[in-house]
Amino acid sequence: QVQLQESGPGLVKPSQTLSLTCTVSGGSISSGSYYWSWIRQPAGKGLEWIGRIYTSGSTNYNPSLKSRVTISVDTSKNQFSLKLSSVTAADTAVYYCARGGITIFGVEPLGYWGQGTLVTVSS
Amino acid sequence: EIVLTQSPGTLSLSPGERATLSCRASQSVSSSYLAWYQQKPGQAPRLLIYGASSRATGIPDRFSGSGSGTDFTLTISRLEPEDFAVYYCQQYGSSPTFGQGTKVEIK
Repeated sequence: QVQLQESGPGLVKPSQTLSLTCTVSGGSISSGSYYWSWIRQPAGKGLEWIGRIYTSGSTNYNPSLKSRVTISVDTSKNQFSLKLSSVTAADTAVYYCARGGITIFGVEPLGYWGQGTLVTVSS
Repeated sequence: EIVLTQSPGTLSLSPGERATLSCRASQSVSSSYLAWYQQKPGQAPRLLIYGASSRATGIPDRFSGSGSGTDFTLTISRLEPEDFAVYYCQQYGSSPTFGQGTKVEIK
């Protein structure tokens, strides 16, 4: 059973770069046909898709965040990461990592999620 | 970007009642790449439905999804106490987006 766990600083200063890591256990991040995603949720609000990286290394980003987001994979550590630059208070949220699949029939949605980690942007 | 609009915002029902949740897309959702998730307070979302109408592994058959194109529905046939939560639709095509959520609360 695959498990995902987010980690990173809980507090980031405005204008700095938010960096989070998602550690995958119970399977190799580089095997199979999957994509690895980041989603965020401000307190009391809905879910916002940030972006995803495929096993192949290709990426898709939310157009509204694209200029500030980078998602990458470290296969040696079985982790993938999120970097969000030039953060403001509006980036304060619970950040989730999740996994979706690719089959011969097409894309599958996010079936496995981490528990989420709260990141607060404040000086 | 495909905008998903969920209605109603809040649904107040009693256990045993039927819940019908709507998700309308601003343009056609390709290949029925429409999913529904359930989220309880303090928890990550849980996948319920994918491909508009297929139940994810372990999801009870009281949950069903239907629809195509731009109009999709999640139905909970008989509400159990553990079903009171927030439900989100998501289109997971080329540039995924989520709806704003529908809260199902106890009447």
